[in-house]
Amino acid sequence: DGGITQSPKYLFRKEGQNVTLSCEQNLNHDAMYWYRQDPGQGLRLIYYSQIVNDFQKGDIAEGYSVSREKKESFPLTVTSAQKNPTAFYLCASSIGHQSSYEQYFGPGTRLTVT
Amino acid sequence: GESVGLHLPTLSVQEGDNSIINCAYSNSASDYFIWYKQESGKGPQFIIDIRSNMDKRQGQRVTVLLNKTVKHLSLQIAATQPGDSAVYFCAERNYGGATNKLIFGTGTLLAVQP
Repeated sequence: DGGITQSPKYLFRKEGQNVTLSCEQNLNHDAMYWYRQDPGQGLRLIYYSQIVNDFQKGDIAEGYSVSREKKESFPLTVTSAQKNPTAFYLCASSIGHQSSYEQYFGPGTRLTVT
Repeated sequence: GESVGLHLPTLSVQEGDNSIINCAYSNSASDYFIWYKQESGKGPQFIIDIRSNMDKRQGQRVTVLLNKTVKHLSLQIAATQPGDSAVYFCAERNYGGATNKLIFGTGTLLAVQP
């Protein structure tokens, strides 16, 4: 099956700890994205990557970091500098050119920091 | 899973009725629009998309209408079923951007009454 996997589904951490969320895709997509979703709100873009070894900040990048060493993988690290890290995190990918702008989403990781 | 629609606009319909979900977009230069369905605790799923050179597109039980004059997008769902209950998001892509970034609306919760 082709798709995007995120793990784990639920993640619990203590305040002050960094945590890394996994995102893997086997769709051969060039572009990948990380979004944050809070209750009652839409999706806000954290980081995106259009190609391997390249990534750009989205609208709310502060307190987060990413890497894109492989086409298939785009892990997100939530650092202790992120003031309100508890949220639902969604990873997505897209072909990356104008033939299609559709983004395919993973199942999400719910992070709770106490 | 936790609901992501606690404070969202809500549309309540009876099973079998038609549903119309509306979305106002912000940028007159946007050239692509897409609707997603998100069930509680899951990632968004693609429903239908439309490019700015069209004003209507139909899928299975769904129709998207685009009115560029007033920057308005709507999603019509025919014969709404309980399984259609979810949060629905519209998103737009800004023409001229070097990326495939989508800008998401805040969403509408569709509640189907049996």
